[in-house]
Amino acid sequence: AQSVTQLGSHVSVSEGALVLLRCNYSSSVPPYLFWYVQYPNQGLQLLLKYTTGATLVKGINGFEAEFKKSETSFHLTKPSAHMSDAAEYFCAVSDNTGNQFYFGTGTSLTVIP
Amino acid sequence: ETGVTQSPTHLIKTRGQQVTLRCSSQSGHNTVSWYQQALGQGPQFIFQYYREEENGRGNFPPRFSGLQFPNYSSELNVNALELDDSALYLCASSPGGGTSNYGYTFGSGTRLTVV
Repeated sequence: AQSVTQLGSHVSVSEGALVLLRCNYSSSVPPYLFWYVQYPNQGLQLLLKYTTGATLVKGINGFEAEFKKSETSFHLTKPSAHMSDAAEYFCAVSDNTGNQFYFGTGTSLTVIP
Repeated sequence: ETGVTQSPTHLIKTRGQQVTLRCSSQSGHNTVSWYQQALGQGPQFIFQYYREEENGRGNFPPRFSGLQFPNYSSELNVNALELDDSALYLCASSPGGGTSNYGYTFGSGTRLTVV
């Protein structure tokens, strides 16, 4: 079975500062890993995904994440926060059958001017 | 290209009633999944459809059922509504041929309130 843990339900950063959102997963098989962003009253938008290959994955809006198998982690980073990054971020894992998809409980990012 | 569209956007129902939510998948996407997102929580996987058959299901009771049509659009039906069914229901589509491994495109959701 798969599960996802997002450490920190709320994260605040200053505009221009580094963004680090943490995600750890549990999976009995090689996982497929995803980060999604949700703006208020909207659906989820895919930021980036890891399936196979290079462990450092670049996504949209300057975000990137690194798959670390030894740490079972897939943390999301952005070098410099922008006001428009304020949103809810969800980490998700899928097993290799693709028939089950599990989300974490989310991290709310606040960007302080 | 059009994205995933859901209808209605908001809905209020009474406990015990039945509800049908609708979803049109993104063009070219043959796999559709439904999620329930309670307030302040992450989305919970309800089920996934591919070629009009359910090919994955989360931990939801049988009163949650679905359909996928030949044009890949989909419906979520919930019978005997309970207060705890109040949530945002998200539809998501994928080109993955029955898998979610490509990631999903999500609709904006239907906000269901059960009173």
